[in-house]
Amino acid sequence: DSGVTQTPKHLITATGQRVTLRCSPRSGDLSVYWYQQSLDQGLQFLIQYYNGEERAKGNILERFSAQQFPDLHSELNLSSLELGDSALYFCASSVGPLAGAETQYFGPGTRLLVL
Amino acid sequence: QQQVKQSPQSLIVQKGGISIINCAYENTAFDYFPWYQQFPGKGPALLIAIRPDVSEKKEGRFTISFNKSAKQFSLHIMDSQPGDSATYFCAASKNSGGSNYKLTFGKGTLLTVNP
Repeated sequence: DSGVTQTPKHLITATGQRVTLRCSPRSGDLSVYWYQQSLDQGLQFLIQYYNGEERAKGNILERFSAQQFPDLHSELNLSSLELGDSALYFCASSVGPLAGAETQYFGPGTRLLVL
Repeated sequence: QQQVKQSPQSLIVQKGGISIINCAYENTAFDYFPWYQQFPGKGPALLIAIRPDVSEKKEGRFTISFNKSAKQFSLHIMDSQPGDSATYFCAASKNSGGSNYKLTFGKGTLLTVNP
């Protein structure tokens, strides 16, 4: 158990809908990262927040947004969903702001299926 | 543009054999190279990592070999066990000069160790 929690575990929704994925980082970790994992694209970095502020941005679509709250939990909002958004979404956390200087601890993921 | 190329896509090894997974990168500014292990239904977990100031790092049965001039690094699993059966991801990032850069992952290698 990495100490990172994600809810829900599974999510089934329809095209055009909006969903919110939630992540609680490990105790003491200030950085939260969001990743999308699909069979064809592999593990893709979406966005990082550090202590409430956006730190780094990856291949995140404009239809997607995220935020980190004062209690350090984070939410990833996916809107106008398309079939191609079906994937596993992982949250990871680390102590500091440097993505490659320290270990990222991954949560168990949320499996999103868009029908 | 895929900045980290991983091979093979899948690998079958007999128990006690050596598993070798290779990665090649393009960005010469990368200075952190971790390997992650992912079991079905779980998030990736850091296995071992190396920085380019050393050519090899060993932790138990797991060894990373790093060739800076060839821009390649590989994971060797000695005495492979059925419990090592998982998907392995290489990754790379740049973290010098106080900058924060994303982890770029390879597409993964599904390792199966037969008993």
